[in-house]
Amino acid sequence: DAGITQSPRHKVTETGTPVTLRCHQTENHRYMYWYRQDPGHGLRLIHYSYGVKDTDKGEVSDGYSVSRSKTEDFLLTLESATSSQTSVYFCAITAGTNTEAFFGQGTRLTVV
Amino acid sequence: QKEVEQNSGPLSVPEGAIASLNCTYSDRGSQSFFWYRQYSGKSPELIMFIYSNGDKEDGRFTAQLNKASQYVSLLIRDSQPSDSATYLCAVGPSSGYNKLIFGAGTRLAVHP
Repeated sequence: DAGITQSPRHKVTETGTPVTLRCHQTENHRYMYWYRQDPGHGLRLIHYSYGVKDTDKGEVSDGYSVSRSKTEDFLLTLESATSSQTSVYFCAITAGTNTEAFFGQGTRLTVV
Repeated sequence: QKEVEQNSGPLSVPEGAIASLNCTYSDRGSQSFFWYRQYSGKSPELIMFIYSNGDKEDGRFTAQLNKASQYVSLLIRDSQPSDSATYLCAVGPSSGYNKLIFGAGTRLAVHP
């Protein structure tokens, strides 16, 4: 199994509070991604990183920010959580262009 | 128009039958195609990838790619109840950084 660890695995938070999810990899892969998964929508890309301090937006980036200060860590921050951000969040990594993605275990986030 | 489209299902097949899962994509220049399996409550796991037109076989699984028609399919032979899961099609970009775009998934149910 690819060495990808997400933390926390489960979180319940209140509307308006900031939340940070962490993805840690031990594979030294260049690319890292954050997806959210909701019923009927499959996996939707939030943000991705193509190197340390190099990030870009995905299709559903509003309300989220990311940071990557080290190759192995990719952080996703919800600045002010809303109920619409209740979802399962997956981190993924790829080694290069047009290569397969490996996923972390997922984080179930509930915003009440 | 969604970039990657799949029939949401459920696709119900009897044990031992062939299950056929289909996916269409909109980016004509896409170069990489992936099939993932996701059990309920788990993270997606890679089944197969295919880059060239034609068929690619791996055990009971066959991926088929037709770039002219912009579709990719997955055949599962001798379907087993353990194959019951959601199958996600993912397509890589025609250019730029490696951003996989996922379909919403097809739920497969294999009944004894």
